Amino acid sequence: NAGVTQTPKFQVLKTGQSMTLQCAQDMNHNSMYWYRQDPGMGLRLIYYSASEGTTDKGEVPNGYNVSRLNKREFSLRLESAAPSQTSVYFCASSELQGARQPQHFGDGTRLSIL
Amino acid sequence: QQPVQSPQAVILREGEDAVINCSSSKALYSVHWYRQKHGEAPVFLMILLKGGEQKGHDKISASFNEKKQQSSLYLTASQLSYSGTYFCGTVLGGSNYKLTFGKGTLLTVNP
Repeated sequence: NAGVTQTPKFQVLKTGQSMTLQCAQDMNHNSMYWYRQDPGMGLRLIYYSASEGTTDKGEVPNGYNVSRLNKREFSLRLESAAPSQTSVYFCASSELQGARQPQHFGDGTRLSIL
Repeated sequence: QQPVQSPQAVILREGEDAVINCSSSKALYSVHWYRQKHGEAPVFLMILLKGGEQKGHDKISASFNEKKQQSSLYLTASQLSYSGTYFCGTVLGGSNYKLTFGKGTLLTVNP
């Protein structure tokens, strides 16, 4: 049982390049999330999808777009990468969106932008 | 509104106890606790709902004080495996259930 799978695990980009981070979950969860983690900042929500067909902005959405491709997959796109987007990106999922729902995280994508 | 965690870091010897606090200036609906080991994904520990409940998970337990809008995570008789960064996440009442994480508390347990 893989849980939440993120690809790639590592990536180096040049400023201005575009990139799509992939996330897939096999737990039949309805809700999915993208976070970024920077040293000393904790996890900050970029975008989330409460259910298939819906997406919504989180705390730090600027410079990113998302697509909920189907119930299993939720991708994050950087259209024109900037050094400030160097971070570790985590995808997570939960059965439903709600205050009582634990989130299950993938192993992360470590992204460096030069 | 990002919750405030304290302390930022704590160093223990195996067998000692620790308390990590998580405070909010807004009314909370629930508090989540996660642990993250270096280079790994955060792992869910427990959720506490408003109503002042307490929960336990082996030697790790937590409480939620609704009056103070504060949650505390208690680690008793710490083991080397408890080392990692502990994050609280809060859900505000009427917030569309978005989880907001604190900056984390780095716990180091030494032999």
